[in-house]
Amino acid sequence: QKEVEQNSGPLSVPEGAIASLNCTYSDRGSQSFFWYRQYSGKSPELIMFIYSNGDKEDGRFTAQLNKASQYVSLLIRDSQPSDSATYLCAPIGKNTGNQFYFGTGTSLTVIP
Amino acid sequence: DTAVSQTPKYLVTQMGNDKSIKCEQNLGHDTMYWYKQDSKKFLKIMFSYNNKELIINETVPNRFSPKSPDKAHLNLHINSLELGDSAVYFCASSPAGRTDTQYFGPGTRLTVL
Repeated sequence: QKEVEQNSGPLSVPEGAIASLNCTYSDRGSQSFFWYRQYSGKSPELIMFIYSNGDKEDGRFTAQLNKASQYVSLLIRDSQPSDSATYLCAPIGKNTGNQFYFGTGTSLTVIP
Repeated sequence: DTAVSQTPKYLVTQMGNDKSIKCEQNLGHDTMYWYKQDSKKFLKIMFSYNNKELIINETVPNRFSPKSPDKAHLNLHINSLELGDSAVYFCASSPAGRTDTQYFGPGTRLTVL
């Protein structure tokens, strides 16, 4: 069974703080992990992806992956009000037919 | 230039009707997809399609059918619409074999009354 769990939130952080978004997945065959951002009423857009255990940094975003714990997270440093959106976690792998299997998303609000 | 476009943006219709949503991409991609996002924001793939293979999510009712007149278009036909079909439908495209590089369209909000 393919399941992706995310806290639905809403998660509220003050401007300038670090926002931590978490995702657990059940499919051990998942090989790659993607984070999408979706503003209200808009389509998802790719933020980051990670393949290997450890951290991957891109600007203010850091993705962290722990395959043994089946856990992936997204950290947003120096959070800005423009980061307020829903963040979707999406593992992909052979067991999902190499298709995205999205989590339900975490709603983030950055308070000015 | 719009990479992936969908029409209409909003669609309101009665139960039992048949409707279509159109999708076009100008990226030269070989693979196109349809997703459904329900009221709880759960985004779920319905189909992926290239000129060789149609992959159907087994949970999709057969009232839903993708039709591709050419590589740049993948339309979604829905027969006998039901209340539960109300959702936002997203089209996406990617290069062949690059499921990890998908570009999403703006979405079509379907409301079934």
